[in-house]
Amino acid sequence: KAGVTQTPRYLIKTRGQQVTLSCSPISGHRSVSWYQQTPGQGLQFLFEYFSETQRNKGNFPGRFSGRQFSNSRSEMNVSTLELGDSALYLCASSLGTGTYGYTFGSGTRLTVV
Amino acid sequence: AQKVTQAQTEISVVEKEDVTLDCVYETRDTTYYLFWYKQPPSGELVFLIRRNSFDEQNEISGRYSWNFQKSTSSFNFTITASQVVDSAVYFCALSEGTNDYKLSFGAGTTVTVRA
Repeated sequence: KAGVTQTPRYLIKTRGQQVTLSCSPISGHRSVSWYQQTPGQGLQFLFEYFSETQRNKGNFPGRFSGRQFSNSRSEMNVSTLELGDSALYLCASSLGTGTYGYTFGSGTRLTVV
Repeated sequence: AQKVTQAQTEISVVEKEDVTLDCVYETRDTTYYLFWYKQPPSGELVFLIRRNSFDEQNEISGRYSWNFQKSTSSFNFTITASQVVDSAVYFCALSEGTNDYKLSFGAGTTVTVRA
């Protein structure tokens, strides 16, 4: 059974650019959530999608957005990149609620220069 | 306010020693779920254990065991007979209610097991 797949693994962008990260959940999982991990702030929740609907959103500026497709794959987009957006972005998939737990991908390491 | 507190920043032990990681959580919900994850240098968060708020039974799974006490809002995790491969950052996390759909993580505890 394939795990959660995140692409790309590494990314280097210039300040002011935008970036799109992709996440393919475990087959059958309809919930995808995104987290940002930085040395200073730790692991912080960005947003969660279920059946193409955003059900919860963390405290991040509007530059951070996401979407989910009908096949449950999800993308997150960061516009007008800032140096502080450099982080490991982790995607997690779940059957639907915390009841079932969350399986994480290997993450995308974004560096903004 | 921090919902999950891991007071230990780093722990260093010699192989075969036991390691206990502390976790204190805060929630007003009666239904919630607690998790422990391991993050090796590769970056992926690896699921270790999950506990719901209605089950205070403490269990042992291989070299892992946990102690869940609602009275003190603690969910401690123990690695018995540690091995070098256990070296990683360990995170305690909380999922609140039945409609929260997110994890609140502690700051993590870095465990280093020396040969």
